[in-house]
Amino acid sequence: TQLLEQSPQFLSIQEGENLTVYCNSSSVFSSLQWYRQEPGEGPVLLVTVVTGGEVKKLKRLTFQFGDARKDSSLHITAAQPGDTGLYLCAGLDNYGQNFVFGPGTRLSVLP
Amino acid sequence: DSGVTQTPKHLITATGQRVTLRCSPRSGDLSVYWYQQSLDQGLQFLIQYYNGEERAKGNILERFSAQQFPDLHSELNLSSLELGDSALYFCASSVATGIRANEQFFGPGTRLTVL
Repeated sequence: TQLLEQSPQFLSIQEGENLTVYCNSSSVFSSLQWYRQEPGEGPVLLVTVVTGGEVKKLKRLTFQFGDARKDSSLHITAAQPGDTGLYLCAGLDNYGQNFVFGPGTRLSVLP
Repeated sequence: DSGVTQTPKHLITATGQRVTLRCSPRSGDLSVYWYQQSLDQGLQFLIQYYNGEERAKGNILERFSAQQFPDLHSELNLSSLELGDSALYFCASSVATGIRANEQFFGPGTRLTVL
């Protein structure tokens, strides 16, 4: 089973700060996705990255896929309280058989 | 609103009982996924169906089973329930083809409490 690790596990910051969270694996993934989940609700898809080295921007969020397609990062600029939530990375292994979620980074942005 | 619906929203039952959770995917999505999320386990993939056929199997217990019907809705059956089965159960759907094949849209979940 291919695993996705995420760090940090918890992150608490002040409004206006920047932050980066990471998603890592020892295996190659054909694609990786990032989701955000709020308590008691289902995860919501933020982005999919497919190509090694790819960078995607979604307003204040910047997503990067590693050149070797084994890792990804999510950078948030000028965090806002509305960014609070559980950030999950997920991916389909390179054989296209197993879909796995990382354990998530729980972000708290304080006003 | 993701377009994925799940019923019921809450379910309280006793150990040893059997329950059925229902999911309707987004219009046009052929694939349905089931996940279990508990506080200490994170989001665990259970099973995936594509157009009525089982496509992938994760950490699904033998007491659990699922199916996808011709109208593409899916049901997850949980039997001989144990206290440890208490969790949020999510259904997700995707188009399952092309570059966006695995972009999943999640329903609101069913919160199962086993007493």
